[in-house]
Amino acid sequence: DQQVKQNSPSLSVQEGRISILNCDYTNSMFDYFLWYKKYPAEGPTFLISISSIKDKNEDGRFTVFLNKSAKHLSLHIVPSQPGDSAVYFCAAGYGNKLVFGAGTILRVKS
Amino acid sequence: EPEVTQTPSHQVTQMGQEVILRCVPISNHLYFYWYRQILGQKVEFLVSFYNNEISEKSEIFDDQFSVERPDGSNFTLKIRSTKLEDSAMYFCATRTSGRRDTDTQYFGPGTRLTVL
Repeated sequence: DQQVKQNSPSLSVQEGRISILNCDYTNSMFDYFLWYKKYPAEGPTFLISISSIKDKNEDGRFTVFLNKSAKHLSLHIVPSQPGDSAVYFCAAGYGNKLVFGAGTILRVKS
Repeated sequence: EPEVTQTPSHQVTQMGQEVILRCVPISNHLYFYWYRQILGQKVEFLVSFYNNEISEKSEIFDDQFSVERPDGSNFTLKIRSTKLEDSAMYFCATRTSGRRDTDTQYFGPGTRLTVL
């Protein structure tokens, strides 16, 4: 199932800089999108979401951008902090379920 | 902050045995979900549950699986006859009855199921 793809398995960023995590999807039926953060041995923790009728949503240091024509969304974290180091999952929703990407490991170096 | 809880944190079972995984949703949440993550793979949707019935299920959720909310608080996932390939992390998620495009699914910490 390749409906949601996160093509970068890992990303390394210096503390204070911007982290940009990317996600592509193929199914036009998806009408909402979410980003989750996950630490080992824990469940996914919700970060931010966006409806398909919007192109941007911001919450503190986190901003999600949606480009529907390109079927692409991205998560920007500014400024990045060492505590942001985790696996980040993009998820897309339609009906009553979420379809997850494979995740991107973010390492923020201090 | 309210959270979803799951028990047990780790379950080891023999192939062919039945297991029941339990979830306690956030108290005002009405939609419930089970997901699983096989080691090294994506988080996969299994089933959604609302108003005491399944609202959607994936092809993974075959006759070996069932869900129920037996006492109005716990939400359970039963696997009748476990197979080796059922070994995975199982996550429960819940949300309120609001609009699904603005309402968030909150995940529990997961149960690690190991089938020997």
